Amino acid sequence: QVQLVQSGAEVKKPGASVKVSCKASGYTFTSYYMHWVRQAPGQGLEWMGIINPSGGSTSYAQKFQGRVTMTRDTSTSTVYMELSSLRSEDTAVYYCAPGGVWLLRYWGQGTLVTVSS
Amino acid sequence: QSALTQPRSVSGSPGQSVTISCTGTSSDVGGYNYVSWYQQHPGKAPKLMIYDVSKRPSGVPDRFSGSKSGNTASLTISGLQAEDEADYYCCSYAGSYTSVFGGGTKLTVL
Repeated sequence: QVQLVQSGAEVKKPGASVKVSCKASGYTFTSYYMHWVRQAPGQGLEWMGIINPSGGSTSYAQKFQGRVTMTRDTSTSTVYMELSSLRSEDTAVYYCAPGGVWLLRYWGQGTLVTVSS
Repeated sequence: QSALTQPRSVSGSPGQSVTISCTGTSSDVGGYNYVSWYQQHPGKAPKLMIYDVSKRPSGVPDRFSGSKSGNTASLTISGLQAEDEADYYCCSYAGSYTSVFGGGTKLTVL
C-alpha cells in the first residue's frame, strides 16, 4: 500500500529557510504527481504547488512564487519542498500528497514547521 | 487564485442528509470537471472522498455523492452518521497545473 513518510517537525527563525522531505513507497514513484499543501493552526488547507517526479517540472501557486522550490530524487523516491524567507505566518503543517494533476489521492502524515524568534 | 467559497458550517441529525456547496468561477470549478472533496478529522491528515466531481474512491461509502452545476459544486452526505462529523474541503483544478481549495466546512452531527 502507498506509504508516505515526511520529515520531522522543524523550528525556524524568521528569514530562514526550511526543507521538508516526503519519502514515497508502495507505488511507482514516477506514476503520480506530488502536491504540497499546508494548513496553518486552526485554518483551512492551502495548495502550494505540484511536481512531476518523472521529469521534475513544477508549478507553484502564485502566492509562493519565488519563495518555494520543489525537487525530487528518483533514486530514493523522495520529494522535497523548500520554503525560504520564512515569516511567522508560515507556521503550519505541511503535507505531501501524491495523485493526478488535479487529484490528491493520498496524504502524508504532515510536518509541523514553526517559525518563531 | 482566490479560495473557493464554502459555508463555514453545516449540521444535521443522524440519518438526515446534508449538502455542502463550493462556489468558484469559470476559471476553476466551472471550467473543469475536476472537483474533489476531502474529509479531515481533528489532528488527522485529509482523506479523499470524491474526485472528478462525482466519483468515489474505493472504500468510500455510497452515502457520499458529488455534483456540479455551473460554477458551484456540491457534496451531499445522506444517512448522516456520527463519524461523518469532520471538516470538509473542496478542491478544483484551476488550469496550468494549479489547484485551489475551498475555505472548509465544519459538519456537526447533532
